[in-house]
This record gives sequence, structure tokens and C-alpha cells, in this order.
Amino acid sequence: NAGVTQTPKFQVLKTGQSMTLQCAQDMNHNSMYWYRQDPGMGLRLIYYSASEGTTDKGEVPNGYNVSRLNKREFSLRLESAAPSQTSVYFCASSEEGPTPQHFGDGTRLSIL
Amino acid sequence: AQSVTQLDSHVSVSEGTPVLLRCNYSSSYSPSLFWYVQHPNKGLQLLLKYTSAATLVKGINGFEAEFKKSETSFHLTKPSAHMSDAAEYFCVVRPVGDTGRRALTFGSGTRLQVQP
Repeated sequence: NAGVTQTPKFQVLKTGQSMTLQCAQDMNHNSMYWYRQDPGMGLRLIYYSASEGTTDKGEVPNGYNVSRLNKREFSLRLESAAPSQTSVYFCASSEEGPTPQHFGDGTRLSIL
Repeated sequence: AQSVTQLDSHVSVSEGTPVLLRCNYSSSYSPSLFWYVQHPNKGLQLLLKYTSAATLVKGINGFEAEFKKSETSFHLTKPSAHMSDAAEYFCVVRPVGDTGRRALTFGSGTRLQVQP
């Protein structure tokens, strides 16, 4: 039982580059989330998807886009990476929103 | 508006002794409250949640927390610490009734160290 799987685990980008963080869950959950974690700040919600085909902005959506491709997959895209987006990114899921139950192990992203 | 304050950034206990991680909250609405645990290089795991039922909430791995409205507190306890409890713990608040919000408010975390 894999739970929530995130790829890649680590990534280094240059300012202005783009990339997509991938997330998949195998628990048939309806709700999925993207968070970022910065030192001493807990987690902050970037985007949220209550069900396939729907997405909502969270606290810190600027500079990001998301796609809920199907019930399993929820991707996060940085169109033009900035150093302020250096962070650890977590994907999470739950049967119903808005409380995440299961988290992936994170993607550690550094932007130079 | 809502906020959560974890009163200790770091707690150190000896194996087999009690654990107390303190959390105070403020919320404009009746809140739901949660504790999550994060082991190194891992995602968060939900330990327990309070959603206006019993004020004493039991979670996984022997942890429990008590909701005290008069003190606006939701402290996490465990009678006897185990080495595997060493991790970062986050107290989280979500206002019940504010259905327009999606975001939980996370505390800044308490790092629990367990000495052998």
C-alpha cells in the first residue's frame, strides 16, 4: 500500500525555470492538497482539490498552478521559479476535505 | 481570525517518562483541533483530532489530548515516552462553521527529543 507518492524527492532549479511536481494517491480519496513547509512556519496551503475536476486556492497560491488530472493524481506547476519558492512541498489526501489525513514524504526544492 | 501557539519549540524527556506538548489556540468560530507528527524527512501523520465531541481525545501510539475551552488549550500528552516518539509535532486549528475557508492554521512545531 503506497499511500501518497510524490516525485521527484529532490530538485534544484535556476530562477525562471519551470517544473511540475507530481503526486498520486492509491486510497481512492476525493480530496487532495498541496502544502509548502518553511522553517519555523508550519505548513501553508497552496491549492486544494475537493474532487476530480475542481481546484481551489489556498493561502499562498501566487506563482503556482495545479491540475487534478484524475482522481488519483494532483500536480503542482511552477511556471517561472523564484528563490522565494525554495521550500519543501507536501502533497496530501483525505476521503473528504478539508482536513488532510495522509501525506507524501515531500519534495525538497531549491531555486538558485 | 484564528491562530495557534505552541508554547515550546523544543522538549526533551527521558524514555519512560511522561510527555507534555503545549498548544493554545484562538478562533472566531468553534474550532476543530488536530495534532500531527512528522518524523525526519517524512510527511505529516494525523495523530488525533477534536471535533466538538468528547473533550478528551485519544489518538494513535498512546497519545491523547484534552480540549479546554476555558483555557483555549489543546495540550498533547503521553504517559510514557518511547524512543520512536522523537519527532516534530504540530498543533493545528480549523474553525468549524467557516465553510469558506480551506486552510488549516498550523503551529510552528515542537521538536520532541527522547533521551535513552
